[in-house]
Amino acid sequence: NAGVTQTPKFQVLKTGQSMTLQCAQDMNHNSMYWYRQDPGMGLRLIYYSASEGTTDKGEVPNGYNVSRLNKREFSLRLESAAPSQTSVYFCASSEQDTYTEAFFGQGTRLTVV
Amino acid sequence: RKEVEQDPGPFNVPEGATVAFNCTYSNSASQSFFWYRQDCRKEPKLLMSVYSSGNEDGRFTAQLNRASQYISLLIRDSKLSDSATYLCVVEFMDSNYQLIWGAGTKLIIKP
Repeated sequence: NAGVTQTPKFQVLKTGQSMTLQCAQDMNHNSMYWYRQDPGMGLRLIYYSASEGTTDKGEVPNGYNVSRLNKREFSLRLESAAPSQTSVYFCASSEQDTYTEAFFGQGTRLTVV
Repeated sequence: RKEVEQDPGPFNVPEGATVAFNCTYSNSASQSFFWYRQDCRKEPKLLMSVYSSGNEDGRFTAQLNRASQYISLLIRDSKLSDSATYLCVVEFMDSNYQLIWGAGTKLIIKP
């Protein structure tokens, strides 16, 4: 029972490089989310997708793009990485956009040098 | 600014003791509240929802105080395995549905 799987677990990028974080869930959830977690701060929502085919900006969307490829997959892309994007990134899913329990992936530790 | 504030701790508590911590929120219209648990370098996991009347799940009790705009988490008979960071989550109701996360309270249970 995989739940939410995100890859990679660790990544080091140079400033200006691009990368895509992958996320997939096998719980048939409608809603998916990308968060970042920084020391001393709560999780902050980057983007979310309430259902397949829709995406919306969260609190901190600048520098990121997302794709809801299908119901299972929601990817996050950094087009030109900056040191300020060094963070731990979590993908999550929930049954619907009104709040139900969110299930998280194991996180991606990204360092931009 | 939407705010959810937690004491970062750490709370160092002997095994078997009772510990409580609060979370304050700024939006009086908030309707939904949750406690998540996050182990070191792991993902958050839902611990419990917080209902208006308060709710209990084993050794854990969650309370909501709307007048003072805070929620609390009480852990009785603490276990070593309770050591974790506890994240408060508050639903803010405005033009967009939003969940705002506190930065967490770190709890260390000592033998």
